[in-house]
Amino acid sequence: EIVLTQSPATLSLSPGESATLSCRASQSISTYLAWYQQKPGQAPRLLIYDASNRATGIPARFSGSGSGTDFTLTISSLESEDSAIYYCQQRSNWPPLTFGGGTKVEIK
Amino acid sequence: EVQLVESGGGLVQPGGSLRLSCAASGFTFSTYSMNWVRQAPGKGLEWVSYISSSSNTIYYADSVKGRFTISRDKAKNSLYLQMNSLRAEDTAVYYCARGGDLYDHWGQGTLVTVSS
Repeated sequence: EIVLTQSPATLSLSPGESATLSCRASQSISTYLAWYQQKPGQAPRLLIYDASNRATGIPARFSGSGSGTDFTLTISSLESEDSAIYYCQQRSNWPPLTFGGGTKVEIK
Repeated sequence: EVQLVESGGGLVQPGGSLRLSCAASGFTFSTYSMNWVRQAPGKGLEWVSYISSSSNTIYYADSVKGRFTISRDKAKNSLYLQMNSLRAEDTAVYYCARGGDLYDHWGQGTLVTVSS
């Protein structure tokens, strides 16, 4: 089973700043990594797939990068609506499909 | 508009059973693989089960294998999860999610609470 480790656990930033979220895989997953955003009381929403491709309707301030074992989600120019928990998910080697533990982004 | 609406959650005693449903609309249900993903209170996401568009391929997480059964009905545009021998650790919001290994649409979830 591929384990995904996300860091930091919590990120507290001000509006307009940039957020950098990390996801590390226990073994190489090429670029088969996705990012989801989950706001309180809501279902997750697909943001990024295959490491760097934005899903339909996702603003350009969300970007992803990485390959192999190290991946990054960058949210540039944070807005209050970006307050959420962000999860990474691998689809390189499954079952099982696995998710990271999440990074909570708080907007001050 | 793609819609996934789960139902069937509730309070059940340990060892009991429950059947979850997910009604799909706004897309050609029969051409998509589907999944169940759960989230325990205050915890992260856990993939539970996968079913291919034709129902020919089915996978389960080890934590539910032998206790849960995934199925689908093309005529009713519905996805199901039969959950037997429920345990306290199965307490979670259960989401149905469209896609094979990438989930582009999710339902709003249904809460399953296993407690005496």
